[in-house]
Amino acid sequence: QVQLQESGPGLVKPSQTLSLTCTVSGGSISSGSHFWSWIRQPAGKGLEWIGRLYTSASTNQDTSLKGRVTMSVDTSKNDFSLKLSSVTAADTAVYYCALGDSRDDAFHIWGQGALVIVSS
Amino acid sequence: DIQMTQSPSSLSASIGDRVTITCRASQSIGRNLNWYQQKPGKAPSLLIYIASSLQSGVPSRFSGSGSGTDFTLTISSLQPEDFATYYCQQSYSIPRTFGQGTKVEIK
Repeated sequence: QVQLQESGPGLVKPSQTLSLTCTVSGGSISSGSHFWSWIRQPAGKGLEWIGRLYTSASTNQDTSLKGRVTMSVDTSKNDFSLKLSSVTAADTAVYYCALGDSRDDAFHIWGQGALVIVSS
Repeated sequence: DIQMTQSPSSLSASIGDRVTITCRASQSIGRNLNWYQQKPGKAPSLLIYIASSLQSGVPSRFSGSGSGTDFTLTISSLQPEDFATYYCQQSYSIPRTFGQGTKVEIK
């Protein structure tokens, strides 16, 4: 059974870049008809889709983040990453990585989430 | 962007009750609608995909229906472990968008 684990700094200063990595275990990041996504959830609020990427390196992202998002995959490490630049307090949230299935476009497996606080 | 609106935002129900949650899309999304359950402090988990397909391991008391703009999630007989927040999500277009959530509480 594939499992996902987010990792990265829990505290980021305003205007800096948030960096998170999602490590995939129990399966290859390159196998199957999968895509890899990032989703966040501000405290007490709903879920916000950030973007998705394929191991082919093609990506989609939410344009409301105004090009601040960079996503990449490292097949040699079996992980994928998120970078969000020029962060503000509004970017404080729990960040989830998730495995999606291209056949139904749903998020089948989620990481446990990583809380990132933007504060000086 | 497609807006997803859930109703109600919260509800109180008793064990054994039949519970229905509605999700409406701002435009037609076919059957490209998924449902998730989230318990406090935990990641969401997939319940239903493509409007009505039950995810493996999810109890059969959960069911989904609908197409176009109107969808429902039904819990046929509410169990203690079902008290949680439920989200719909459209997979028709980018950006993917979620409903605001429906919190199911104990009456």
